[in-house]
Amino acid sequence: ELKVEQNPLFLSMQEGKNYTIYCNYSTTSDRLYWYRQDPGKSLESLFVLLSNGAVKQEGRLMASLDTKARLSTLHITAAVHDLSATYFCAVLGANTDKLIFGTGTRLQVFP
Amino acid sequence: EPEVTQTPSHQVTQMGQEVILRCVPISNHLYFYWYRQILGQKVEFLVSFYNNEISEKSEIFDDQFSVERPDGSNFTLKIRSTKLEDSAMYFCASSEGSTYGYTFGSGTRLTVV
Repeated sequence: ELKVEQNPLFLSMQEGKNYTIYCNYSTTSDRLYWYRQDPGKSLESLFVLLSNGAVKQEGRLMASLDTKARLSTLHITAAVHDLSATYFCAVLGANTDKLIFGTGTRLQVFP
Repeated sequence: EPEVTQTPSHQVTQMGQEVILRCVPISNHLYFYWYRQILGQKVEFLVSFYNNEISEKSEIFDDQFSVERPDGSNFTLKIRSTKLEDSAMYFCASSEGSTYGYTFGSGTRLTVV
C-alpha cells in the first residue's frame, strides 16, 4: 500500500531564508503533485511533476521529483510572509485513480 | 480560470440524518472525486467516478455513502445516516486526466451533532 510521508511537519522560518520540504513515498509512481492550503480553505495546485528528474519553478518555490529515490522536494527561496500556509504533496499510485496525500507541512514565515 | 464549485460551504446536521453535498465540476473534465479532511489531519480519498460509474473507492466509502451525477453538470455525495465521525471538510475534485492535475473545490464543512 502506498504511503506518503512529509517532513518536517512544522516549519517556522525567518523571512529571507531558504528551506526545503521533503516528500517520500513507498511504492513506484511517476505522478506527484504539490498543493498549498490556507487555513479553512481549499487545496490550490502548485506543481504537477510527471517524470523522473522533473523540475518546476514558480516564483520563490521550486519542486523536483526523483522517482528512483521516491522523493520529491519543495524548495523555498528567500521566504516571505505570504508563503505561510500548509503544503501537501500527493502521489498517484500505479494502476490507481486515487491521490495519496502526505501529512502536510505547516509553514510559518516570520519577519 | 475555471473552478470547481461546492455547496453548501457549511452544513450542520443531526446524527442519523441524511446529507447531500453538491459539486459542479469543471465542464470539460471527465474524472470526478470526493476527498475528505478531518480537522487538522491529512486529506483522504473517498471515491473516484468516471463514465457514470464508480471507478475506485476507499475503505471509508462504505454502504452509507453514495455518489451520483444526476445531470450533465452536478456531482453529489450522499451520506445516508451521518455519524459524529463523519464531521470533516469534504472536497470535490475534477480532472481531465492525471497528466493535467486535479482541481479541488472550496469544500463543504460538515458538522454532525
